[in-house]
Amino acid sequence: KNEVEQSPQNLTAQEGEFITINCSYSVGISALHWLQQHPGGGIVSLFMLSSGKKKHGRLIATINIQEKHSSLHITASHPRDSAVYICAVIQGAQKLVFGQGTRLTINP
Amino acid sequence: DVKVTQSSRYLVKRTGEKVFLECVQDMDHENMFWYRQDPGLGLRLIYFSYDVKMKEKGDIPEGYSVSREKKERFSLILESASTNQTSMYLCASSFAGPSYGYTFGSGTRLTVV
Repeated sequence: KNEVEQSPQNLTAQEGEFITINCSYSVGISALHWLQQHPGGGIVSLFMLSSGKKKHGRLIATINIQEKHSSLHITASHPRDSAVYICAVIQGAQKLVFGQGTRLTINP
Repeated sequence: DVKVTQSSRYLVKRTGEKVFLECVQDMDHENMFWYRQDPGLGLRLIYFSYDVKMKEKGDIPEGYSVSREKKERFSLILESASTNQTSMYLCASSFAGPSYGYTFGSGTRLTVV
């Protein structure tokens, strides 16, 4: 079993829909990243959080440390949101452990 | 903005060649990392460095070496490239300590033929 599990692995939705991607982890962490990777490869860090909730534009990330679970939400989704979203947890001083990623496709 | 620059976006090399992948960051980060990303396997850590001339093996160091002679530059070396090293390679950097986020480069897609 992977230490970081994401669901779903693939998600297709229509423009405007509310999107939720989930991340569960089984190890102790100091923080959690949500990353975005567009076709072509470059990775952008969307959020780093260790408690509660963060919001940036249409993106919201939450984390529940007790339940070892985080969610990434996208409101009013748009085709440009199509990407792979990766959850990564920081273990110890600096080690990143990655989930397998969720491929999101938003159709116009 | 913090920038992590990888020298090549696409690279094609022949089996047996020595390959250098360069990564430069401009924000005085102590930590630098090399990952490879393969379909179905996600991102896996090859090597990382906490400081100049320091290096630590990650999860899959076999077939690779690294060099960090200057704080801003972290090089990944494939001593003798093989076809199973065809992959996307991503560099990342961060300040020391768990409170700091990571910044990733744009990736180098390496094909070994």
